[in-house]
Amino acid sequence: DSGVTQTPKHLITATGQRVTLRCSPRSGDLSVYWYQQSLDQGLQFLIQYYNGEERAKGNILERFSAQQFPDLHSELNLSSLELGDSALYFCASSLQPGTSGRGEQFFGPGTRLTVL
Amino acid sequence: GDSVTQMEGPVTLSEEAFLTINCTYTATGYPSLFWYVQYPGEGLQLLLKATKADDKGSNKGFEATYRKETTSFHLEKGSVQVSDSAVYFCALSVGAQKLVFGQGTRLTINP
Repeated sequence: DSGVTQTPKHLITATGQRVTLRCSPRSGDLSVYWYQQSLDQGLQFLIQYYNGEERAKGNILERFSAQQFPDLHSELNLSSLELGDSALYFCASSLQPGTSGRGEQFFGPGTRLTVL
Repeated sequence: GDSVTQMEGPVTLSEEAFLTINCTYTATGYPSLFWYVQYPGEGLQLLLKATKADDKGSNKGFEATYRKETTSFHLEKGSVQVSDSAVYFCALSVGAQKLVFGQGTRLTINP
């Protein structure tokens, strides 16, 4: 158990809908990362938050957004869903950048999104 | 940009065979290197890491050495078990930022 929790585990929805994925980082971790895992794209970095502030952006669509709350949990919002958004979405957390661990991230179990 | 290339899979071996999964990288800075493992239906677990050249990461019988001169971080295990069947991902991180992953290598061990 990595200490990172994600809910829900599975999500089935229709095209055009909006969903919210939730992540709670390990106790003490300030950074939260979101990744998408799909068969054709592999594991892709979406976005990073550090202590409530957006830190880095990757291949995140404009239809997607995220935020990190004062209690450090994070939510990933996916809207106007398309069939191609079906994927596994992982959240990861890490120690404050620059401290020991040098980039080591701890992953949650993921949320499997199916868009019908 | 930064990238990781892993050997193509899938890889199928018999129990007790020797395992090597090749990984090479390209990075603009000085990366930390990782191997993550994903068991069926689960998330990614950190298997081992190395943060500077010539470091050897090891865990559960797996080893990988950070080779700066060949920009490689090959994963090895001397004697694999059926329970090692999983997908293995090589990854790098520069400046403790995002992880950049290879495409993953599916490993199947037959009894």
